[in-house]
Amino acid sequence: AQSVAQPEDQVNVAEGNPLTVKCTYSVSGNPYLFWYVQYPNRGLQFLLKYITGDNLVKGSYGFEAEFNKSQTSFHLKKPSALVSDSALYFCAVRGFSNDYKLSFGAGTTVTVRA
Amino acid sequence: EAGVAQSPRYKIIEKRQSVAFWCNPISGHATLYWYQQILGQGPKLLIQFQNNGVVDDSQLPKDRFSAERLKGVDSTLKIQPAKLEDSAVYLCASSSPPSTGASYEQYFGPGTRLTVT
Repeated sequence: AQSVAQPEDQVNVAEGNPLTVKCTYSVSGNPYLFWYVQYPNRGLQFLLKYITGDNLVKGSYGFEAEFNKSQTSFHLKKPSALVSDSALYFCAVRGFSNDYKLSFGAGTTVTVRA
Repeated sequence: EAGVAQSPRYKIIEKRQSVAFWCNPISGHATLYWYQQILGQGPKLLIQFQNNGVVDDSQLPKDRFSAERLKGVDSTLKIQPAKLEDSAVYLCASSSPPSTGASYEQYFGPGTRLTVT
């Protein structure tokens, strides 16, 4: 079975400071990893993915994530947070042999204060 | 390109009533998913279609939930009869299989917020 853990329910940072949202996963074989963001009353928006290749992946809105196989982690980062980054962030994983089925974490609420 | 469309956006019903949600995926996307997102939790897959065939419905409560995807395009999710614990946001998503050269991510609609009273 595949699963995702997001250990922090909430992350609070000041605007301009670095932002990190943590994610660890469990899956058989090589993982496909994703980050999505959800704004109030909106669906999930794709931010970035790791499929293969470079462990550091860059995505939308200045976000990046680092794949660490030994620690089974895929933390989301942004060097300088904006107030507009305040939202709910979900990490998701699927296994190589699965029929594209994603398993999501419970989500982390990010609040960036001005 | 147009995104995933869902309707209605909001629905309030009483328990034991029935309700239906509609989804129109991104044009050309063969795979369609229905998720249930309960407040404070991540989305949970209810059912996955590949064209008009069901790939995975292992987490669909089949005694009350049903879904169909006629002609491999639009899809409808129905709940009959509804229970209080069905209050959630129902998300529809679509994707293209990687075998077509497309990427792996799923694209989500805005969701339908269901409140059962």
